[in-house]
Amino acid sequence: GALVYQYPRRTICKSGTSMRMECQAVGFQATSVAWYRQSPQKTFELIALSTVNSAIKYEQNFTQEKFPISHPNLSFSSMTVLNAYLEDRGLYLCGASRGQNTLYFGAGTRLSVL
Amino acid sequence: GQQVQQSPTSLVLQEGENAELQCNFSTSLNSMQWFYQRPGGSLISVFYNPSGTKQSGRLTSTTVIKERRSSLHISSSQITDSGTYLCAMEPPSGSWQLIFGSGTQLTVMP
Repeated sequence: GALVYQYPRRTICKSGTSMRMECQAVGFQATSVAWYRQSPQKTFELIALSTVNSAIKYEQNFTQEKFPISHPNLSFSSMTVLNAYLEDRGLYLCGASRGQNTLYFGAGTRLSVL
Repeated sequence: GQQVQQSPTSLVLQEGENAELQCNFSTSLNSMQWFYQRPGGSLISVFYNPSGTKQSGRLTSTTVIKERRSSLHISSSQITDSGTYLCAMEPPSGSWQLIFGSGTQLTVMP
């Protein structure tokens, strides 16, 4: 079956530091990976969509300078939160697609910022 | 404006009662999904429902793409149904992204 492993599950970082989260697709080729954030008391917002052999498309309010994404092959993607501050805390979710109409989600990375 | 309007925001039921959750979409859509969010945050896909009615056990989803709406019906609710339910739409751009509703917090009391 198709699975997406996301790690770490939880992380705490000091204000102003950076943290990286990773997403591994197992059992299928992840041609597209979407990264989402759920801030406290809010719904999920799309940060960016990464498609292999295409430029990464960032949504309004999210930039490559703040959330650099790497999608080097069809099974792996990572995203870094640079200079994390309080407003960056929340649950980060990756969703991977193999080119059909289904996104397989990882379990999420919960980021706390001190 | 908000592309996905989900209602109600919260719902409290007695065990055995039925629940009806609604999502309305302000733009056209390719498809939509219903998710259940576990307390730890991870998402479980409940229904992938491009159009029409689907049933799985006590859950029924009805989506009318032309009318830009979808509903999730939970019959004979159980305490274990408690949690957050999210609807999400896929816009017609074909880029596999999902736009989420704000969620319904369901609490089923004994």
